[in-house]
Parts: sequence; structure tokens; C-alpha cells
Amino acid sequence: AQSVSQHNHHVILSEAASLELGCNYSYGGTVNLFWYVQYPGQHLQLLLKYFSGDPLVKGIKGFEAEFIKSKFSFNLRKPSVQWSDTAEYFCAVMTTGTASKLTFGTGTRLQVTL
Amino acid sequence: NAGVTQTPKFRVLKTGQSMTLLCAQDMNHEYMYWYRQDPGMGLRLIHYSVGEGTTAKGEVPDGYNVSRLKKQNFLLGLESAAPSQTSVYFCASSFGGREQFFGPGTRLTVL
Repeated sequence: AQSVSQHNHHVILSEAASLELGCNYSYGGTVNLFWYVQYPGQHLQLLLKYFSGDPLVKGIKGFEAEFIKSKFSFNLRKPSVQWSDTAEYFCAVMTTGTASKLTFGTGTRLQVTL
Repeated sequence: NAGVTQTPKFRVLKTGQSMTLLCAQDMNHEYMYWYRQDPGMGLRLIHYSVGEGTTAKGEVPDGYNVSRLKKQNFLLGLESAAPSQTSVYFCASSFGGREQFFGPGTRLTVL
């Protein structure tokens, strides 16, 4: 079965700092990849997704992620974080032929200080 | 469009009580899912459905049952609640192979 690892459990950054959150997955076949964000007290919202094509994908609110197939990674980046980016971020993997089920990482809590 | 809605938003149960959580979507999605979210564990799939009248077990199905009698609704039942089922429950829906859209969640506490 596939698994997803997010090694950063809690990240604290100052406003305007750059962000990179790691995501690695274990699965040898074709995958679709997602980053979801959960603001405090809210439901999950899609930040960005990768299905095929350009491995550098851009999402909402200035976020981007790069799919590196050889490293089984899909790291999330943002050049300059804002206080409003404080949230929990989840990486998720969808493997083909699995009823479109998602396997989530354990999440990374990002805290942005003023 | 309301998207994915869940009722109730909050619920407190005593051990052994039963309840049903309702998920509804108005996007004509074929696939629907129930997850539970626990601190430090991400979201784990409880049950899912790939169409009206069909359901299947996910990663953590024990203690839960589901039904999908109508395409737009997906019900999650707890027959005899246990403290270990204290969690936040999220419903999601999607077209096959596409991203999932999530509901606002139900916070359940079992005493």
C-alpha cells in the first residue's frame, strides 16, 4: 500500500520568509498528487494538484509545488509567507485504479509570526 | 451551489449510543468518502462509495457503517459509540480520478 511522509510536523516562520514543506510518497506506479490546506477551524481546501505534464505546478495564493519523480517527492513552496498562511498543510497521493482514494500525510502545522 | 454539506456540526454522545452523520453534495459527483481526522494522524479513510447503492471499506472501517441510497447523500453510522471514536469527521466527494471536495466537518465527542 502507498504511504505519504511529511517530515516537518511544525514549522514556525516570520512573515516574508520563504517556505518549503517536504512530501515524499512510496508507490512505484502512476500517481496524482495534491496539497490541501486547512485554516484553523475550517475544512480542507485544495491548494494545488498534479496529474501530468509540467512538473512545476502553481496553485492558489502564490503556492507552487514541484513533482520530482526520481525522488518520489512533491514539495510545496512559497517565496514569501504571510501571517494569513498560518494553517495545517496536507500532502495527498491518489494512485490509479483505487476508486480515486486519497492517502494523506500526517500534516505540517505552519505558524507564521509577525 | 452549496458544495458538500454535513450535519450535524457538533455532537456529544455517551458510550454505547448510536448516531448517523449525514453528508450531502450538489455537484453530481459519483464518488463520496468519509474520513476521520485525529491529531498527528492526518485524515484516514473510513468508508467510501463509487456510486449509488455501492459502498466499500477504507483504512479504518471498524465500528462504522455507511449507506448510499441516493447519489447525493452518504450516511455514516455509529452503532455503539466508543470514546476511541471521538474525532472530527469529514465527508468528501469527487468525480472519478479528480480532486476531492470536502465538507465543513462534524466534531464528535464520545464520553
